[in-house]
Amino acid sequence: ILNVEQSPQSLHVQEGDSTNFTCSFPSSNFYALHWYRWETAKSPEALFVMTLNGDEKKKGRISATLNTKEGYSYLYIKGSQPEDSATYLCAFTSRAGGTSYGKLTFGQGTILTVHP
Amino acid sequence: SAVISQKPSRDICQRGTSLTIQCQVDSQVTMMFWYRQQPGQSLTLIATANQGSEATYESGFVIDKFPISRPNLTFSTLTVSNMSPEDSSIYLCSVTKVRGPGLNTEAFFGQGTRLTVV
Repeated sequence: ILNVEQSPQSLHVQEGDSTNFTCSFPSSNFYALHWYRWETAKSPEALFVMTLNGDEKKKGRISATLNTKEGYSYLYIKGSQPEDSATYLCAFTSRAGGTSYGKLTFGQGTILTVHP
Repeated sequence: SAVISQKPSRDICQRGTSLTIQCQVDSQVTMMFWYRQQPGQSLTLIATANQGSEATYESGFVIDKFPISRPNLTFSTLTVSNMSPEDSSIYLCSVTKVRGPGLNTEAFFGQGTRLTVV
């Protein structure tokens, strides 16, 4: 059973604060780590897909890092805005083939609320 | 990319009834995935819908409870049968697409179906 854990479960910050959250995943058979943003009543939206140890990706004020050897990824949001309020999901895909092909194993998500 | 139209977006159903959720993709895909997120829980994979063969169910999910149809490469349905309040969840369909020379896959999702069973 693959275990993907996210922390914290929820986070309240003030507008302008910078914040970060963690995703931990199995380090064996690693293929890719995905971050999604899921706003209420919308589809989850892909933020990043990372595959290489040491990868750092950035999209505007949001960035992510990846450590495949120790099995964790951080998502950072700089200068949070109310529109950043959403659930942030990470998901792991395994290098294992067969019935695991294409499957994402999700963490529980971090619910971020940015207060004006 | 892929655009997925999922409906209904929400429903309130009586226990013991069934609800069928539909997903239409704007391109042909080999596999479609059905997920559930119960309150406070992870997005959990229910089953993989393959065109031309029976769906593959994850541990804890059975065909009698969650029958799936996949009549062609752009469409799938998931039925939640004989519902109980424990089935109250968000249900999502998803497809994956290979992106870029690195052959990474990216998942695309429908808008979700928020089901409440009373």
